[in-house]
Amino acid sequence: NAGVTQTPKFQVLKTGQSMTLQCAQDMNHEYMSWYRQDPGMGLRLIHYSVGAGITDQGEVPNGYNVSRSTTEDFPLRLLSAAPSQTSVYFCASSYFPATSASSYEQYFGPGTRLTVT
Amino acid sequence: QQQVKQSPQSLIVQKGGISIINCAYENTAFDYFPWYQQFPGKGPALLIAIRPDVSEKKEGRFTISFNKSAKQFSLHIMDSQPGDSATYFCATSGPSGRHESSGDKLTFGTGTRLAVRP
Repeated sequence: NAGVTQTPKFQVLKTGQSMTLQCAQDMNHEYMSWYRQDPGMGLRLIHYSVGAGITDQGEVPNGYNVSRSTTEDFPLRLLSAAPSQTSVYFCASSYFPATSASSYEQYFGPGTRLTVT
Repeated sequence: QQQVKQSPQSLIVQKGGISIINCAYENTAFDYFPWYQQFPGKGPALLIAIRPDVSEKKEGRFTISFNKSAKQFSLHIMDSQPGDSATYFCATSGPSGRHESSGDKLTFGTGTRLAVRP
């Protein structure tokens, strides 16, 4: 199992550019989510999905779009990049609904470090 | 609105000492309290978790203490080692078992950077 994979690892964008951060998992998890990590802010939820075709907003969704056409993939789109979106982005997945203590665990990818100039 | 408050922001401990990180939450509906460990350049990984039906859970050198009435929980790392140097996040979620679109979202604390000196 590769677990949760993210591409690219690093990206530099200019203000106004758009791009897609890729996330894939091979654990057949229904629940997938995107977080951003900023110094002193912890991990903040951007968008999440409980299955193919179902997405919803998290705590900080503005400026980001998601879609979930398959169980495996959950791409995050930046529509018009802004310097405030400079951050490290993590994708995570878990079973849903959680039916045992172990199935609550969220598995994180290695992250994408994004810089917007 | 921060629903999970974590302290301290950073912590320096000597090798062999005890590291203690605290979290406080507000929402009494939370029923799952994990701690995640993150090494530089890596994604967070689950370290240990507790449900509110017990007051303590121990796995090796790591222990969660849970105080439901005070709405607080803490991570204790006994015999701290340089390899424990990482950032630790507490988190909460719940109520669990709901079959609706909100899923089991995690709300994270702001993190504690732990350095264990040799």
